[in-house]
Amino acid sequence: GENVEQHPSTLSVQEGDSAVIKCTYSDSASNYFPWYKQELGKRPQLIIDIRSNVGEKKDQRIAVTLNKTAKHFSLHITETQPEDSAVYFCAAGRSTSYGKLTFGQGTILTVHP
Amino acid sequence: DTAVSQTPKYLVTQMGNDKSIKCEQNLGHDTMYWYKQDSKKFLKIMFSYNNKELIINETVPNRFSPKSPDKAHLNLHINSLELGDSAVYFCASSLAGGTYYEQYFGPGTRLTVT
Repeated sequence: GENVEQHPSTLSVQEGDSAVIKCTYSDSASNYFPWYKQELGKRPQLIIDIRSNVGEKKDQRIAVTLNKTAKHFSLHITETQPEDSAVYFCAAGRSTSYGKLTFGQGTILTVHP
Repeated sequence: DTAVSQTPKYLVTQMGNDKSIKCEQNLGHDTMYWYKQDSKKFLKIMFSYNNKELIINETVPNRFSPKSPDKAHLNLHINSLELGDSAVYFCASSLAGGTYYEQYFGPGTRLTVT
């Protein structure tokens, strides 16, 4: 089955800096890669996703990149703000797997004012 | 107003008891999921239903039994609770097809088994 590795497990940055979280996956048939943000005590929320036919996608301060050959994808947050502090999860899935997502272990991002 | 709701929010019970968690979504989605998030925050899918039909059934002890009375509701019944079942259980929903992976999560049910 799919295995998703996520690094780093914790990331501490100063407000205004950039943050990068990286994930690798094992199943070359995976073609959907969402990112979820989970604030303390809250539910995971989809923030951005990328599909295998796209190499990069951007939404304001958030961008995701995908390298299918190397089987890795990354989340980039620019101009970080304290409200970006949360646990971020990457995930991978196949379009033929009825929504089955395999999640990474999560990255605790702390943005210091 | 709430898109995906779960009850109860907290559940504290003793080993050996049987308990249920209920989930409802008003998004018009046709696919619903149960996830378990352990103490290390790891999220793992347990089950998924599409239009009341079980489509994902991960390696979960058969003490866990999901039921979907209709496509807007998904319940989880757990028999003979064990200490290791303590976790946060999230329900989620999505639309089948190209948006399967745009999953909306409920607020979670924190289950504590003592």
